[in-house]
Amino acid sequence: DAGVTQSPTHLIKTRGQQVTLRCSPKSGHDTVSWYQQALGQGPQFIFQYYEEEERQRGNFPDRFSGHQFPNYSSELNVNALLLGDSALYLCASSLDSGNQPQHFGDGTRLSIL
Amino acid sequence: GESVGLHLPTLSVQEGDNSIINCAYSNSASDYFIWYKQESGKGPQFIIDIRSNMDKRQGQRVTVLLNKTVKHLSLQIAATQPGDSAVYFCAGGGADGLTFGKGTHLIIQP
Repeated sequence: DAGVTQSPTHLIKTRGQQVTLRCSPKSGHDTVSWYQQALGQGPQFIFQYYEEEERQRGNFPDRFSGHQFPNYSSELNVNALLLGDSALYLCASSLDSGNQPQHFGDGTRLSIL
Repeated sequence: GESVGLHLPTLSVQEGDNSIINCAYSNSASDYFIWYKQESGKGPQFIIDIRSNMDKRQGQRVTVLLNKTVKHLSLQIAATQPGDSAVYFCAGGGADGLTFGKGTHLIIQP
């Protein structure tokens, strides 16, 4: 039973570029959340997708957008990249049934030059 | 808003001893708390969760205690092993997804 998978594992971009990160949820999960983790910090919530709609959003600018597909997989898009966007981007999936634990992938390490 | 934070950035324990990692939260509206373990180069791994209508929950070698009066959460690891070495995060469930603290790095001394 595959857990949460993310691609790519590492990515290098330059300022001003755009990036798309991908996530496949754990089998049986229907909800996907995205987090940004800076070095030495805890993950920060970006947004959550359920039924192909953005349901909740953290304190991130509109440059961060996402999508969820009918098979529950998800993409995170970041436009006009800034140096400060360098971080580990984590995807977590869960089952939308009350408070259920979120299970994380190993993330995409994004470096902005 | 809510914040979730840990008391100590680093905790060093002897192999075989019990470890206690503490966490304080500020927003009593959070009704769900989770502990995660994150090893270097990996994503957070679910350890145990607890709902606000409970004050204790036990798993395999781990126990989570919740004190709503003082808004305090703790993770106890029994008979700490080298494989327990990692950064431990508490997280609170709320309207803005999970809110994480900065983490405690658990170091195991041989």
